[in-house]
Amino acid sequence: DTGVSQNPRHKITKRGQNVTFRCDPISEHNRLYWYRQTLGQGPEFLTYFQNEAQLEKSRLLSDRFSAERPKGSFSTLEIQRTEQGDSAMYLCAMENVEVLDTQYFGPGTRLTVL
Amino acid sequence: AQKVTQAQTEISVVEKEDVTLDCVYETRDTTYYLFWYKQPPSGELVFLIRRNSFDEQNEISGRYSWNFQKSTSSFNFTITASQVVDSAVYFCALSEKRGKLIFGQGTELSVKP
Repeated sequence: DTGVSQNPRHKITKRGQNVTFRCDPISEHNRLYWYRQTLGQGPEFLTYFQNEAQLEKSRLLSDRFSAERPKGSFSTLEIQRTEQGDSAMYLCAMENVEVLDTQYFGPGTRLTVL
Repeated sequence: AQKVTQAQTEISVVEKEDVTLDCVYETRDTTYYLFWYKQPPSGELVFLIRRNSFDEQNEISGRYSWNFQKSTSSFNFTITASQVVDSAVYFCALSEKRGKLIFGQGTELSVKP
């Protein structure tokens, strides 16, 4: 158990709808990362937070995507006006304060846009 | 630019065979980290190992071993006496200092009984 939970585990939505995913650590963590993984590919970086501050965003993160980490613990990733190309696994990862430089991943949220 | 290449898309072996998964990386930094993750059919990425760019010692953990060679920019992963439970997709990844991971495309390992 990595101590990272994600909800929901699966989400099916219709094109044009908004969706929100949540990532929760079980214990205190420092950095929080979001990645996207499409079928047959490796995960691709989207964005990361150090405490509440969003420090880097990938060019993959279009203006339809927004991420927050309001209290420096859990984080949300919202996609507005979903498109079929948004269908993917969305992964959250944490760096444990005791084991820096190593990211531990949650189980992911699989999004299907119809 | 950072890049990780896993040239083997799929590998199939019979149980008890040894298998080596290749990983070649590109980076301009002198300080970086290399990682291997396992993604079983359940989908969750499982951390296996982290290597610091200044530490070229090879590492062994049970049936797993890793060979890091800066001269060839490679970080290969060997499973000795493979088992069916080793069947998964394996990802090599690179990060410069503390930060985002750059993943390879992954190698799908199938171990048949």
